[in-house]
Amino acid sequence: EAQVTQNPRYLITVTGKKLTVTCSQNMNHEYMSWYRQDPGLGLRQIYYSMNVEVTDKGDVPEGYKVSRKEKRNFPLILESPSPNQTSLYFCASSGQGLLETQYFGPGTRLLVL
Amino acid sequence: QKEVEQNSGPLSVPEGAIASLNCTYSDRGSQSFFWYRQYSGKSPELIMFIYSNGDKEDGRFTAQLNKASQYVSLLIRDSQPSDSATYLCAVNGGYNFNKFYFGSGTKLNVKP
Repeated sequence: EAQVTQNPRYLITVTGKKLTVTCSQNMNHEYMSWYRQDPGLGLRQIYYSMNVEVTDKGDVPEGYKVSRKEKRNFPLILESPSPNQTSLYFCASSGQGLLETQYFGPGTRLLVL
Repeated sequence: QKEVEQNSGPLSVPEGAIASLNCTYSDRGSQSFFWYRQYSGKSPELIMFIYSNGDKEDGRFTAQLNKASQYVSLLIRDSQPSDSATYLCAVNGGYNFNKFYFGSGTKLNVKP
């Protein structure tokens, strides 16, 4: 089954404790992206990757890191989480091209205390 | 100014009616326009995309694009209670088409 998986699905942590949210896709997609979703603000792009070792900032990259060492994986790293990073996070992937559909993972709900 | 603006709603329509959802965007260079549906607690799923001025129909859904007015809309004909969800408008960046901007979504309620 074609899918994007994220782990963990739910996470409660404390300020400053480094965490990683994993994202994996089995569709051989070149493009992968991370979004956060907050009430009233919609989905905002954090980082995206065009291919292995090619990443770039989205609209709200501050406080986040990413890496793309393998085509299928695109982890999101919070080196020192803060309460304002409490949010619902989605990973998405698509093929290359202007009209490619982005397929979203199930989401990771993060609470930073 | 936000890149993509949507009325948050809720928009309530009776079953069988036409629901009209609207979206405006600020970047004149944007080339691709998408409508996603998101059920409560779920991830967004694509309904349709459009890139040319005019209308594009897919079943009960019609997307309309007017680049001169920087306006995208989604019409849902014969609305069903199962269409009740939040509808997200997304556009790609004009300068950098690898970046995507989403509106905050319009919540649609279809009443039986």
